[in-house]
Amino acid sequence: KAGVTQTPRYLIKTRGQQVTLSCSPISGHRSVSWYQQTPGQGLQFLFEYFSETQRNKGNFPGRFSGRQFSNSRSEMNVSTLELGDSALYLCASSLDDRAPGANVLTFGAGSRLTVL
Amino acid sequence: SQKIEQNSEALNIQEGKTATLTCNYTNYSPAYLQWYRQDPGRGPVFLLLIRENEKEKRKERLKVTFDTTLKQSLFHITASQPADSATYLCAPHTMGGGADGLTFGKGTHLIIQP
Repeated sequence: KAGVTQTPRYLIKTRGQQVTLSCSPISGHRSVSWYQQTPGQGLQFLFEYFSETQRNKGNFPGRFSGRQFSNSRSEMNVSTLELGDSALYLCASSLDDRAPGANVLTFGAGSRLTVL
Repeated sequence: SQKIEQNSEALNIQEGKTATLTCNYTNYSPAYLQWYRQDPGRGPVFLLLIRENEKEKRKERLKVTFDTTLKQSLFHITASQPADSATYLCAPHTMGGGADGLTFGKGTHLIIQP
């Protein structure tokens, strides 16, 4: 079965612009999570969506937002980009049937954002 | 606050030897602990999950231990190969489905030298 697909893979923006990243989860996976990864901070949890609702949120400013559609596809948006937003943005999906251990994550290849 | 610690320095191991990576956590009691592998420029890939009532879990050349008293997990790769070179991330977590904001350590960069 197809894996988690993220688009675009690479993008360059300038400060002040906004960006939208897209994620298509594995078919049947209902939970989609977003992470930011930088060399200094590692993987930082942004937010998780389930059934079109944000279920968990990490410690990021309001400039970072997301949404999930009825087909489980998800988008995240970063407004008013700052230089420090340059990072690899990773999307991950999981089954989330509430069985123990069901939250094993399958990650996409990521979207590499460079802010100039 | 919850804290996850992994060796921040790269671990250099000679091919054929056993590599042992450490994951320590504080200020919470996870019921599960997951290990992932990440190659440069790619997303992490799930390797193993161990439950708190399992002392040890094996998968091919991989072995994971989980000591809830020491608040530590050890990840072993036996008969290591250069292809095992990657960054390895641990993620201790409490019970629950979905990601529930799965939190990762910063990872240990493993280098297997031929």
